Amino acid sequence: SQLAEENLWALSVHEGESVTVNCSYKTSITALQWYRQKSGEGPAQLILIRSNEREKRNGRLRATLDTSSQSSSLSITATRCEDTAVYFCATDAGGNYKPTFGKGTSLVVHP
Amino acid sequence: AQTIHQWPVAEIKAVGSPLSLGCTIKGKSSPNLYWYWQATGGTLQQLFYSITVGQVESVVQLNLSASRPKDDQFILSTEKLLLSHSGFYLCAWSSDWGGDAEQFFGPGTRLTVL
Repeated sequence: SQLAEENLWALSVHEGESVTVNCSYKTSITALQWYRQKSGEGPAQLILIRSNEREKRNGRLRATLDTSSQSSSLSITATRCEDTAVYFCATDAGGNYKPTFGKGTSLVVHP
Repeated sequence: AQTIHQWPVAEIKAVGSPLSLGCTIKGKSSPNLYWYWQATGGTLQQLFYSITVGQVESVVQLNLSASRPKDDQFILSTEKLLLSHSGFYLCAWSSDWGGDAEQFFGPGTRLTVL
């Protein structure tokens, strides 16, 4: 089974709304990264949150990390159509010393 | 600034034919390099990684091989393609090694095997 995985396959919102993508992982981690992949492109990192951090922000993005429940969330406020993408979490769960990606959550933002 | 280039952009190949995909990183010396495979709508499966020239480690066996002939170049190849090789191939690099290392991805190569 996946060492890290997002909890929902797909989400759909309208522009201006807020949305949260969740991720759960197994075992302990050094850090968790959130990536966004737009159609036909390679992924790009959005936020890195280390195991000793509880929250990290990047503009309209906010990531949280709960090591006790082994879960993370990525919230996007004031969504825009260009936020339409697949969002992945990636961790080094399992002591792989390199990020392992979850299955991804597809987000569609409608005008 | 660092740039990552992958070639070709897309390929349509026959089952049983050979394949070679390339990746070049400019503006970064001694990067860690990675090959990923992504099925349509799927997750990113790491195939190979390389920390230094001439050394490549395999992560999963998919009847593919990889080589790093130069510091800035990573090649993915096979002598005989299978239908299951279809997908999106991504090259990535990182400066650091570890679970907190940010990976920078290239634009990818779309491979269709018929």
